[in-house]
Amino acid sequence: NAGVTQTPKFQVLKTGQSMTLQCAQDMNHNSMYWYRQDPGMGLRLIYYSASEGTTDKGEVPNGYNVSRLNKREFSLRLESAAPSQTSVYFCASSGRAGVPGELFFGEGSRLTVL
Amino acid sequence: AQSVTQPDIHITVSEGASLELRCNYSYGATPYLFWYVQSPGQGLQLLLKYFSGDTLVQGIKGFEAEFKRSQSSFNLRKPSVHWSDAAEYFCAVGEYGNKLVFGAGTILRVKS
Repeated sequence: NAGVTQTPKFQVLKTGQSMTLQCAQDMNHNSMYWYRQDPGMGLRLIYYSASEGTTDKGEVPNGYNVSRLNKREFSLRLESAAPSQTSVYFCASSGRAGVPGELFFGEGSRLTVL
Repeated sequence: AQSVTQPDIHITVSEGASLELRCNYSYGATPYLFWYVQSPGQGLQLLLKYFSGDTLVQGIKGFEAEFKRSQSSFNLRKPSVHWSDAAEYFCAVGEYGNKLVFGAGTILRVKS
């Protein structure tokens, strides 16, 4: 089983460039999430989608946009990348909307902005 | 607002020794509590969770955690650590209708 798949795994951008991180899950989960992980700060929620057709801001949404393309896919877009967005990004999914249950994580996308 | 504190950034234990990782949370209601583990270069994997009931919960890989409401703590324990347990461990707290908040993590090193 693939679980949660993220692409790309690594990316280097220049300041001002744009890019989209892709995420797909094959577990028929309703909820999907995008987190960023920075040293000493744990995981911080960027955006989430409780169900298909809905998206909401998390703790650190500035500089990002998301699209819940369908039940399987949830993409994260950086319109104009900044060095402060250098981070490791994780997509996650959960089958129990409203209940902060078990999250299933992808392997992460390491982004460097020069 | 909910928050999670993991007081120890790094912990080093000898293989075979016991382990306790600390987690304190700030929350108004009855929390949902979790421990996740992250091996290098990997995503996070759920070790165990507490929703209600017995305050001592068992997880995978021989880990357990105890919920102590009076101390607002949810410490993770393992009686005998193996070298493969070296990883980063995250405590997280949430509530119904809300999202998980993660602690900053504790890096566990195991020395042989």
